[in-house]
Amino acid sequence: NAGVTQTPKFRVLKTGQSMTLLCAQDMNHEYMYWYRQDPGMGLRLIHYSVGEGTTAKGEVPDGYNVSRLKKQNFLLGLESAAPSQTSVYFCASSMTGTGNEQFFGPGTRLTVL
Amino acid sequence: KQEVTQIPAALSVPEGENLVLNCSFTDSAIYNLQWFRQDPGKGLTSLLLIQSSQREQTSGRLNASLDKSSGRSTLYIAASQPGDSATYLCAVLYNFNKFYFGSGTKLNVKP
Repeated sequence: NAGVTQTPKFRVLKTGQSMTLLCAQDMNHEYMYWYRQDPGMGLRLIHYSVGEGTTAKGEVPDGYNVSRLKKQNFLLGLESAAPSQTSVYFCASSMTGTGNEQFFGPGTRLTVL
Repeated sequence: KQEVTQIPAALSVPEGENLVLNCSFTDSAIYNLQWFRQDPGKGLTSLLLIQSSQREQTSGRLNASLDKSSGRSTLYIAASQPGDSATYLCAVLYNFNKFYFGSGTKLNVKP
């Protein structure tokens, strides 16, 4: 049981490049989340999904897109990376929304030059 | 916008000491509150989850309390060990999509 996994672990992009971060969970969780963590700002929710085929915006969605084609996977895309998107990105999942704890992946450290 | 504040930002204690970490939140209409541990360069590990109807939760040397009316939660660590050194984060859930994190307390337990 791997829990929540993220790929890649590290990535360096140039401004304007695109990339996709992959999150996978093997706990059969319905809800999945993407956060970014920045020094002094804590974790902020980018997008989330309440089930396969559904996505919704969180607190800081601009510049990102997501897809949840399979229940176990949640993809975060950057279409045109900007230096302001330099951050550590965490994926999380939970069984349901309000009653269950969130489980986090190990994170992806992204640098945009 | 709801705010979650953690005090102190950093704490250094000798091994064996009992300690308390604080978390305060501005809106008492919460669903639950979760305490996490984060080691440098790592993800978040869930420590304790307190539902809004509960007053406390315990796991081993950890005890978390919740006082919704005053907007506060505390994480009590008994008999601290060097392995407890990490950043501790609290997160307050107002809805399934409104999960607010504090900035954390960085704990250093000296041998």
